[in-house]
Amino acid sequence: EDQVTQSPEALRLQEGESSSLNCSYTVSGLRGLFWYRQDPGKGPEFLFTLYSAGEEKEKERLKATLTKKESFLHITAPKPEDSATYLCAVQAYQGAQKLVFGQGTRLTINP
Amino acid sequence: KAGVTQTPRYLIKTRGQQVTLSCSPISGHRSVSWYQQTPGQGLQFLFEYFSETQRNKGNFPGRFSGRQFSNSRSEMNVSTLELGDSALYLCASSTPSGGSLPYEQYFGPGTRLTVT
Repeated sequence: EDQVTQSPEALRLQEGESSSLNCSYTVSGLRGLFWYRQDPGKGPEFLFTLYSAGEEKEKERLKATLTKKESFLHITAPKPEDSATYLCAVQAYQGAQKLVFGQGTRLTINP
Repeated sequence: KAGVTQTPRYLIKTRGQQVTLSCSPISGHRSVSWYQQTPGQGLQFLFEYFSETQRNKGNFPGRFSGRQFSNSRSEMNVSTLELGDSALYLCASSTPSGGSLPYEQYFGPGTRLTVT
């Protein structure tokens, strides 16, 4: 069974304090790994897709990386507006469009 | 380009009733997936439709069903509602899938269902 585990469950940082979120996964044939951001009361917002180990993608203060067993979301010099829940999901080759999500990391950036 | 829209945004129902939720995908997207989000279980896959056919189904009872129309709009139905069905129901759309690469799924704002 495909599984995704995210850590930590919650993280509080000061503005400008860089850190990383972890996503560990087991999947029967990884087609892609996705990162989403979700604000309270809203649907998840797409951030990145990673396809193969060694791949990296960047967007503003965020950088996502992928290995064969885990992915990291690095946040550099975060701002209060980066506060949100960050979700990691995997898609297997045999699952059509099905995404298996982790429980998320709730990130709070204090000014 | 308009995003994924879901109606209604909020719904209050009583145990035993049934409910129908609607989803309009991004123009040109032919795949529509449905997810249930609860504080305890997180985001869980319900089912996916592509060209009016259900391609995949999650581990939910038969009370949960869906369909897709020729214009790619989708509906999901929950019959005989239970208290545990209270959740945020999210719809996501993506571009046609046929090759080995994954396609990003774009989510709507969700329908908040409360069962009393």
